Amino acid sequence: QVQLVQSGADVKKPGASVKVSCKVSGYTLSELYMHWVRQAPGKGLEWMGGFDREDGERIYAQKFQGRVTMIEDTPTDTAYMELRRLTSEDSAVYYCATGRYETSAYEYFEYWGQGTLVTVSS
Amino acid sequence: EIVLTQSPDFQSVTPREKVTITCRASQSIGNGLHWYQQIPDQSPKLLIKYASQSFSGVPSRFSGSGSGTDFTLTINGLEAEDAATYYCHQSSSLPYTFGQGTKLEIK
Repeated sequence: QVQLVQSGADVKKPGASVKVSCKVSGYTLSELYMHWVRQAPGKGLEWMGGFDREDGERIYAQKFQGRVTMIEDTPTDTAYMELRRLTSEDSAVYYCATGRYETSAYEYFEYWGQGTLVTVSS
Repeated sequence: EIVLTQSPDFQSVTPREKVTITCRASQSIGNGLHWYQQIPDQSPKLLIKYASQSFSGVPSRFSGSGSGTDFTLTINGLEAEDAATYYCHQSSSLPYTFGQGTKLEIK
């Protein structure tokens, strides 16, 4: 069974960057399709981006393009999500989640990290 | 972008009641629709994949149905531990999107 353990809460000033980590155990990162989802306080879930199996590349939601980078360090089985030029609207809990395909071409999010609270405040 | 609209936004229900939550997609998504449960202060958990397939370990009172644009999550015999927010999620096309959530309160 996959376990995803994320880095701890962080506080950043507007304009700064944040890097959240997601350590995988139970599987190797290279066997997984990692995605990132965020949730602003009291709000719903928002997909930020992830690994596109069809293209073999990472794909980002248009809203975050140019501001987000998702990378995977396979030797340490750790995924990272960096978000730059933070504003107060980026205050949220950030989740990593693994995508799983079966016979269908569609994937679902099977395992989730515990979440990392990022607070952006001056 | 595919928009998912859930109804209701909120429902107050009594134990043992049957609950139905609907999710409507702005265009056809086949069976690329999944349901998650999020208990307060916890991560989302997968309940139903591909519209109607129960995920491993999920209680049998949870079931899903639908295809195309209209989907339903049903809880038969609600239990107190089911107090949570429920989200639908489509992976038919990028960008992936979620419904706005349905919060269930147990009376």
